[in-house]
Amino acid sequence: AQTVTQSQPEMSVQEAETVTLSCTYDTSESNYYLFWYKQPPSRQMILVIRQEAYKQQNATENRFSVNFQKAAKSFSLKISDSQLGDTAMYFCAFMANSNSGYALNFGKGTSLLVTP
Amino acid sequence: DSGVTQTPKHLITATGQRVTLRCSPRSGDLSVYWYQQSLDQGLQFLIQYYNGEERAKGNILERFSAQQFPDLHSELNLSSLELGDSALYFCASSVQGSSYNEQFFGPGTRLTVL
Repeated sequence: AQTVTQSQPEMSVQEAETVTLSCTYDTSESNYYLFWYKQPPSRQMILVIRQEAYKQQNATENRFSVNFQKAAKSFSLKISDSQLGDTAMYFCAFMANSNSGYALNFGKGTSLLVTP
Repeated sequence: DSGVTQTPKHLITATGQRVTLRCSPRSGDLSVYWYQQSLDQGLQFLIQYYNGEERAKGNILERFSAQQFPDLHSELNLSSLELGDSALYFCASSVQGSSYNEQFFGPGTRLTVL
């Protein structure tokens, strides 16, 4: 079974600053995917960024980037130039590349507050 | 708007009752996933269907069941409801059942069991 751990229940950052959210996971799989999802107060789940485990290059999407350390089983999210609209719960998720299905396995989440 | 629709938006019912949650995937998506988000358990995968067939099962209780119909919409049936079943239930869909395809989430159904 895979477990995803987000050790920071809450974080706060000032507008325009940079913040890093931590995520570690445990798996015996060799082929898998990692995701960060954002859940704003509206409760909508929104994909922020995705990383394929076989790719060494860290994924980036505009102001969002990841630091993927496969050996350490670490997958942190860096948000640059934070904006008020980034205030949300952020969930790290794991998906094994398996023929038996493609369920997302989520961490408990980190609540991020961006302050003016 | 993800293109995934869920009805109803809110549902309030009593313990012991049975409810049905409905999900319509994005046009062209063959795979449907159900997730439960509660304060106690966080976000948990319940079940996945692909083109009408059950593909994967997660932490779904025996009191819960689901199906995907020929028109690809899906229903999640929850019976003998308990207080602990109060949660936000999400449906997600993807083009195929492969990991490459992004899962698009619906707005969720908020279930309150009194």
